[in-house]
Amino acid sequence: DVKVTQSSRYLVKRTGEKVFLECVQDMDHENMFWYRQDPGLGLRLIYFSYDVKMKEKGDIPEGYSVSREKKERFSLILESASTNQTSMYLCASSFLGQGGSQPQHFGDGTRLSIL
Amino acid sequence: QKEVEQDPGPLSVPEGAIVSLNCTYSNSAFQYFMWYRQYSRKGPELLMYTYSSGNKEDGRFTAQVDKSSKYISLFIRDSQPSDSATYLCAMSAGGAGGSYIPTFGRGTSLIVHP
Repeated sequence: DVKVTQSSRYLVKRTGEKVFLECVQDMDHENMFWYRQDPGLGLRLIYFSYDVKMKEKGDIPEGYSVSREKKERFSLILESASTNQTSMYLCASSFLGQGGSQPQHFGDGTRLSIL
Repeated sequence: QKEVEQDPGPLSVPEGAIVSLNCTYSNSAFQYFMWYRQYSRKGPELLMYTYSSGNKEDGRFTAQVDKSSKYISLFIRDSQPSDSATYLCAMSAGGAGGSYIPTFGRGTSLIVHP
């Protein structure tokens, strides 16, 4: 079974702090993704990566950055946390596939509160 | 118009009922279709993954795709209280250039009461 592990289930941070969210997958997937999920807004893509050291902006990258130094690990960084970044953060991974689309597999999420 | 429309519910049914969950979409390039189940405070779990039109069955779950109507469905037979969750549809066009990244519906909340 695919395993996507997020380092923290719950996190409380203060406004202005630099916050690191870590994600590790064990299936040698090329693609990794970071989403945030908010009530009524659904899943929104923040950043994704299709290879080591490669990153692409998603729909809402402002205030975030990412790092992918190893294939299995994808980190989301909140440069200066703000209260509007309080949310559920979900990491996902998938195979690249040959011209097709492989389904994403998700971690259990990090519920981040910014005070 | 959103690319993927999904009624948020909640949909409340008695145990044993047949449940029908649906999504409509506007992008005719979509050809890969997925259903995820998300329990409260957990991440989405892949339930079904289909390509193009037709039906796919897995136990009590059947996924149906009608590309001509741009309409997909998930049927749950003999529903159980443990099926109570939010169900998200997702779809993608496949191929290069980021079009393989799925577009998600906002999810339908399902409650199965004993």
